[in-house]
Amino acid sequence: AQSVTQLDSQVPVFEEAPVELRCNYSSSVSVYLFWYVQYPNQGLQLLLKYLSGSTLVKGINGFEAEFNKSQTSFHLRKPSVHISDTAEYFCAVSPNTGNQFYFGTGTSLTVIP
Amino acid sequence: GAGVSQSPSNKVTEKGKDVELRCDPISGHTALYWYRQRLGQGLEFLIYFQGNSAPDKSGLPSDRFSAERTGESVSTLTIQRTQQEDSAVYLCASSLNGGLNEQFFGPGTRLTVL
Repeated sequence: AQSVTQLDSQVPVFEEAPVELRCNYSSSVSVYLFWYVQYPNQGLQLLLKYLSGSTLVKGINGFEAEFNKSQTSFHLRKPSVHISDTAEYFCAVSPNTGNQFYFGTGTSLTVIP
Repeated sequence: GAGVSQSPSNKVTEKGKDVELRCDPISGHTALYWYRQRLGQGLEFLIYFQGNSAPDKSGLPSDRFSAERTGESVSTLTIQRTQQEDSAVYLCASSLNGGLNEQFFGPGTRLTVL
């Protein structure tokens, strides 16, 4: 079975400061990893994904994530956040069959002016 | 272009009643997913449709839950004899050809069972 843990339910950060949103997963098979973002009053949208290759993945809006197989982590980072980054961020995994997706409980990022 | 739409946006029902939730995917998307998000929890996979293949129903929590999809268009999620623990936001997503392609999510239906 697969599971995803996002330990930080809320992360406040000042504008232009760096941020890291943590994601750990457990799985008995190879997985693919995703970060989705939900802006206020909008549906979830894909931020970035890791399928294979380089463990450092770059996404939209200056976000990046690094896949660490030994630590079973896929933390999301941004070197300098903006007010517009305030949103709910969800980490997700999909086993290598690609049919099912397992999401974490989400991290609410609030950027403080 | 039009995104994924869901209706109704809110549904309040009494315990024991049946409800139907509707999802209109993006035109041309062969894959469609249903998820449930209870308060304070992550998205819970319910069911996956891909083209004309048999759906993956492995996430449905009980036989009170069922879903149908007509071809590659509208899908309906039905919950029979609703219980209070069914209260949640039900999200629908579609993707082009399924697999690891990006999923596009609808705004969700908030179901409240009294």
